[in-house]
Amino acid sequence: AQRVTQPEKLLSVFKGAPVELKCNYSYSGSPELFWYVQYSRQRLQLLLRHISRESIKGFTADLNKGETSFHLKKPFAQEEDSAMYYCALRGSADKLIFGTGTRLQVFP
Amino acid sequence: DSGVTQTPKHLITATGQRVTLRCSPRSGDLSVYWYQQSLDQGLQFLIQYYNGEERAKGNILERFSAQQFPDLHSELNLSSLELGDSALYFCASGRDTEAFFGQGTRLTVV
Repeated sequence: AQRVTQPEKLLSVFKGAPVELKCNYSYSGSPELFWYVQYSRQRLQLLLRHISRESIKGFTADLNKGETSFHLKKPFAQEEDSAMYYCALRGSADKLIFGTGTRLQVFP
Repeated sequence: DSGVTQTPKHLITATGQRVTLRCSPRSGDLSVYWYQQSLDQGLQFLIQYYNGEERAKGNILERFSAQQFPDLHSELNLSSLELGDSALYFCASGRDTEAFFGQGTRLTVV
């Protein structure tokens, strides 16, 4: 079965602090993993995907197959990073499954 | 603008009623996904269509159904509505690996 777990509903940090949003997945094959972001009153949009190994807005995420994790990290949080973050997994038959999301609050 | 259009933006209806939500995917995208977002459940995958055919099914209730038409737009039909069906319903379309989301339809059942 495909499953994505985001254990934290809310993560609050101060500006300039490091951020790590946790994501664990369950999938028997080779997964494709993504992070999507939803800013206030805006639609979900892709932040990054594991296959491209890119850094977007200072965020990075590394796929750890041993730990079945795809945590999202940023060394120095900014106030404009405040948003809902969803981890997603594409597995069998292109089914795209999302975690329950983590709300990141960055205080000034 | 992602290019995915959902109508209507807001819908208020009574329990027991039936509604239809519409999604127009981005030009050229063959896949359409439907999701339900509620406060305590996050984004729940409902169903996916690819080029007119059902491709994957998630936690979709029997009271709900969907279809994708030859012009690739999709409709999500919700019937015998209950208070608990109040949520934001998102449609996404995609090709290859990325999914592009619409703004959603906020359904309120009273």
